[in-house]
Amino acid sequence: GAVVSQHPSWVICKSGTSVKIECRSLDFQATTMFWYRQFPKQSLMLMATSNEGSKATYEQGVEKDKFLINHASLTLSTLTVTSAHPEDSSFYICSAKTGTGGWNEQFFGPGTRLTVL
Amino acid sequence: DAKTTQPNSMESNEEEPVHLPCNHSTISGTDYIHWYRQLPSQGPEYVIHGLTSNVNNRMASLAIAEDRKSSTLILHRATLRDAAVYYCILRDGMGKGSRLTFGEGTQLTVNP
Repeated sequence: GAVVSQHPSWVICKSGTSVKIECRSLDFQATTMFWYRQFPKQSLMLMATSNEGSKATYEQGVEKDKFLINHASLTLSTLTVTSAHPEDSSFYICSAKTGTGGWNEQFFGPGTRLTVL
Repeated sequence: DAKTTQPNSMESNEEEPVHLPCNHSTISGTDYIHWYRQLPSQGPEYVIHGLTSNVNNRMASLAIAEDRKSSTLILHRATLRDAAVYYCILRDGMGKGSRLTFGEGTQLTVNP
């Protein structure tokens, strides 16, 4: 299957700093990329959907000024957590798919563990 | 997004078949049924998906009820590596809103 990578796999930062997480589709071009967040013992929560070259569409309740998403190419999307606080500590997972149909597989990255001190 | 209902947890013994049920009574005609699983501290992994007919692949089989209001993921011989949270998700096949929205899933425990 197709491979999605994330970098870094884990990061620890101080409160008030910004953190950037990269998501790459390694062997396919992703028309759409998604960012999810997962708290311990909870399910994945979709944060935003982004199409290459377009502004991201954020889910209700997700602050677009705090979670900046850039999808500059068909193989790279970035999530920047600005002015991070301890409550932003979570497991962030990106996902990518080709095509727009519901039959298209969606591939997930391994996740990035963010800890804000 | 149409909702799915899954049992919170299930147990199985190693090398026995496992049937994971999913109810989706509000499924629309264009919704695809997707199954993903997630091991601890990892991203979800695609398992299988289908629309109307039963589907088989190297990982599992998907049995879809004739009225499409329920489906069952079948692992033919469970191994310890199959212990994971299994998510049954509906996704609109018409493109718009074609995102995966995760429910709580079923935690599968496989006993040796």
